[in-house]
Amino acid sequence: GDSVTQMEGPVTLSEEAFLTINCTYTATGYPSLFWYVQYPGEGLQLLLKATKADDKGSNKGFEATYRKETTSFHLEKGSVQVSDSAVYFCALSVESGANNLFFGTGTRLTVIP
Amino acid sequence: EAGVTQFPSHSVIEKGQTVTLRCDPISGHDNLYWYRRVMGKEIKFLLHFVKESKQDESGMPNNRFLAERTGGTYSTLKVQPAELEDSGVYFCASSRGGGDTQYFGPGTRLTVL
Repeated sequence: GDSVTQMEGPVTLSEEAFLTINCTYTATGYPSLFWYVQYPGEGLQLLLKATKADDKGSNKGFEATYRKETTSFHLEKGSVQVSDSAVYFCALSVESGANNLFFGTGTRLTVIP
Repeated sequence: EAGVTQFPSHSVIEKGQTVTLRCDPISGHDNLYWYRRVMGKEIKFLLHFVKESKQDESGMPNNRFLAERTGGTYSTLKVQPAELEDSGVYFCASSRGGGDTQYFGPGTRLTVL
């Protein structure tokens, strides 16, 4: 079935460190891939997305590339800030848009000054 | 534009009691989704409304859960009777079209004692 496997957390980094959160997926058909972020006390927000192979999604300095050959969608940021502390969720949708989303377990990131 | 709102933000009930969660989607969004995150696990899809109709309720765990969307506006999710394993965070999301970005509410944290 369709599923997402996400890097276990928590992750603690110093400010300005490089961030990678791994995400791999299993899907039938051609999924769209997403990263959602949940800041403390808030709802899930779409961070970035990619709808086809080799697409790169980017937002707020974060990037992720849709790799069909490795079924991966790893999240990266070159220099994290304290304000990036949040829980990050990788997700997929098996339709061309975002209908029924399948999520990973979430990765809690804490950035310390 | 107001975002998706959920009420209550927290609910603590005893096993066997009834709880009703409410979601108000973004105005004009025909699509409404319910998801649930059990502690430490992935966020799982419960069901999807298009206006007042249930488009997909394949994720509903059992018949103790009843979702309604009166007049195609707000939605309620009732758990009756609640069991310990129902504890978790219940998220609501809405989108204008079925393939559009889903906007999430802050969630309702349900604790069943």
